[in-house]
Amino acid sequence: DTGVSQDPRHKITKRGQNVTFRCDPISEHNRLYWYRQTLGQGPEFLTYFQNEAQLEKSRLLSDRFSAERPKGSFSTLEIQRTEQGDSAMYLCASSSHIGYEQYFGPGTRLTVT
Amino acid sequence: AQSVSQHNHHVILSEAASLELGCNYSYGGTVNLFWYVQYPGQHLQLLLKYFSGDPLVKGIKGFEAEFIKSKFSFNLRKPSVQWSDTAEYFCAVMSGGSYIPTFGRGTSLIVHP
Repeated sequence: DTGVSQDPRHKITKRGQNVTFRCDPISEHNRLYWYRQTLGQGPEFLTYFQNEAQLEKSRLLSDRFSAERPKGSFSTLEIQRTEQGDSAMYLCASSSHIGYEQYFGPGTRLTVT
Repeated sequence: AQSVSQHNHHVILSEAASLELGCNYSYGGTVNLFWYVQYPGQHLQLLLKYFSGDPLVKGIKGFEAEFIKSKFSFNLRKPSVQWSDTAEYFCAVMSGGSYIPTFGRGTSLIVHP
């Protein structure tokens, strides 16, 4: 399967702990996106990379959130000092330089207790 | 900020009924338009897209959507739904020159056999 993969698929953590999620995009895709999705809502944009450069971050993204894509391939999303409000599905998507459509991974479901 | 409205949050149909899901957006310039679908237990996938040209676009599984610029709309249609069409449907809009889509909150479709 050469689709977008995410790890882990589920994460349960206690409030105040740090968590890190990984996304592996489709190999030839240069754009990578992170979204957050809560129940009954559509994906909400968090941040976007073109190759290794982080080009845009949502104003909704607090300082506790950071993302990297060090070699322009896989990406990590870290949430520091997690809060219960961070509980959500975190989606990763990638797209190629010649298209606008995005290919989504299965998501990482975060539960903060 | 751009916004996307999906007016029907929950739709319940019987097999063979016709389907139309509404999508309206707020951006007045050039847009790229998408419908994504999420089947139970699966990740988001592209159903169809509009970039330019014929405003009536056809997608997978017999779905089509019509771009009406004057109404800022991109409604999704299918003449005869099947039980396997049960899913969440998301409309997304990307303003011209941007690589970041805005998603609607989604419509949950349940098709009874």
